[in-house]
Amino acid sequence: DGGITQSPKYLFRKEGQNVTLSCEQNLNHDAMYWYRQDPGQGLRLIYYSQIVNDFQKGDIAEGYSVSREKKESFPLTVTSAQKNPTAFYLCATKRGQGYAEAFFGQGTRLTVV
Amino acid sequence: DAKTTQPNSMESNEEEPVHLPCNHSTISGTDYIHWYRQLPSQGPEYVIHGLTSNVNNRMASLAIAEDRKSSTLILHRATLRDAAVYYCILPRGGSQGNLIFGKGTKLSVKP
Repeated sequence: DGGITQSPKYLFRKEGQNVTLSCEQNLNHDAMYWYRQDPGQGLRLIYYSQIVNDFQKGDIAEGYSVSREKKESFPLTVTSAQKNPTAFYLCATKRGQGYAEAFFGQGTRLTVV
Repeated sequence: DAKTTQPNSMESNEEEPVHLPCNHSTISGTDYIHWYRQLPSQGPEYVIHGLTSNVNNRMASLAIAEDRKSSTLILHRATLRDAAVYYCILPRGGSQGNLIFGKGTKLSVKP
């Protein structure tokens, strides 16, 4: 099946620890995105990448880091510098930046304990 | 960035049409209007998009005002599975820009 796989679905982290969220796609899409969603709110853009080995900061990049070494993969690291990391994290892809339709994964719910 | 304004919530009865409004008075001439929806605990899914003309697809219709300052997403026969948050979005930076989501409209569908 073609699609986007985010793992794990639920993740618990202790304060002060870094954690990496996985996003893998087999849609052969060039553009990939990470969003954060807090309860009752819309999605906020963390980072995006239009091509392998290149990525840009979104609106709330502080405390997060990404890499794009392969077209299929765009992992997000939530570092200890992120003050309020508990949230729902969503990965998305588009065929290219100029295309309209974005495809979203099922999300990872991160909780800091 | 051009902004959109949507009602926080709306209710509909099952099998009746639903009209979800969106105001975007600062829209520019090249801004496409996109609609996505998000079911509970899931990622958003694309619904429809358009520039000037009304658009139809298997999920919905998009009616765009002549001055493009508002648009309406039309679900022709609401089902319980249509209960979701609906987002009206003008991609930042024009048609090739990033999707920036507001709070959207939470649609409830009553049986």
